[in-house]
Order: sequence, then structure tokens, then C-alpha cells
Amino acid sequence: DAMVIQNPRYQVTQFGKPVTLSCSQTLNHNVMYWYQQKSSQAPKLLFHYYDKDFNNEADTPDNFQSRRPNTSFCFLDIRSPGLGDAAMYLCATSRHGLAGDLNEQFFGPGTRLTVL
Amino acid sequence: QKEVEQNSGPLSVPEGAIASLNCTYSDRVSQSFFWYRQYSGKSPELIMSIYSNGDKEDGRFTAQLNKASQYVSLLIRDSQPSDSATYLCAALSNFGNEKLTFGTGTRLTIIP
Repeated sequence: DAMVIQNPRYQVTQFGKPVTLSCSQTLNHNVMYWYQQKSSQAPKLLFHYYDKDFNNEADTPDNFQSRRPNTSFCFLDIRSPGLGDAAMYLCATSRHGLAGDLNEQFFGPGTRLTVL
Repeated sequence: QKEVEQNSGPLSVPEGAIASLNCTYSDRVSQSFFWYRQYSGKSPELIMSIYSNGDKEDGRFTAQLNKASQYVSLLIRDSQPSDSATYLCAALSNFGNEKLTFGTGTRLTIIP
């Protein structure tokens, strides 16, 4: 089945120790997104790739970086995690830009990040 | 006015009844709307998309879009305890419309 996969599902890191979260998709979608979601809040968009074009949200801290080496994979790098970065990180994908595209976003299962 | 607004709830509905979830939106979002269901500790799951004025039905779920009044709703018929979750309303942004604007979500509890 076509899907969005995130690894790891749970990540524990120490304050200030870099961490990388990964996302892969078999949907052949051209847009990939990274969201941060904290308890009882809506997902907050950090950035997204539209094809190869990187789009950063204005309020995303510099501590967060992303890479998309190919269509199927996208990575979220947190360079120096702080206690406030503990959250669920969600990857999502969509198909956009072609006639008939529904622009529906599909989420992966998420990675729960704990910062000690 | 926020771009997408939802009543945060909690909303409690007896099992077997109709659950009605509502969302209003501003002119700053486009006319494509999505309902996501999110169980505690899990990721959002897309359950309905609606693009045209009127009703769209899928099984026990009906999405309703009223562009004149700028609201979109989700009805869940024959509510089951497994429907207990947070429901997120989302709209495509008018600015870079590959992005979604989310409401804050409504927590729904189905009482057996």
C-alpha cells in the first residue's frame, strides 16, 4: 500500500545533541511537509518542499533544517534540541500543481521526540 | 478573525446519536476544506474533503460546505465510541495554496 513512513517512531535525545528524523513516501507526491505538534495544539507547519524548492515558514527557528535528497525522502534536522522542542513531528505529503489534483495532505505516523 | 475557527469542545454525544462539528473560515483561505480525525498520541487521518457548496457523504460521515455563510461542518451519524477523537478542520491557504491552515480542533467524546 502507498504510504508515508516516518522513522524512528520515538526518539530520545539530550539537550543540545543533534537529531535527524526521516520521512519517506511511496505516493509519488511532489510536495512534502514537516509539522510540529504539541499537546492539545494544531499541527504547526515548519517548512515544506514543493518539488525541489524549499519553503521555510517565517517563524521556524534556525535550529530546524531540512533536506530532500530525492522525491521519496525528506529529513528534519534539529541542530541543538532544547526542552521546548519536545513534540510530535509529523511528515505529510500532497500532490499539487496538476489539473485534477485534490491537494489532499496525507500524514505519516509521526515521531515523538523527547529531550532530556 | 482567525482564518479557520472551531469550537474546542469538549463535545459529548450519546452513542448512536448524530455528532455535529462546525468550522468557520475567513476570506484569507481558499475554498477547499478537509476534516482530519486525530486519536490521542496518533497522527491526523484525512476522513473527508469538500470543494463544492453543498453536502458530501461517505458512509456515516457527511461534510457540508456553505460558502455564503463561510462555514463547513462534519456530521457523524450513528456515533460510535471509536469516533471519540479530536477533529481538525483545515483549509487550503490562499497564499501558496499547497499549504493548509488548521483550526484548533474539536475534542469529541461518544458516551456509551
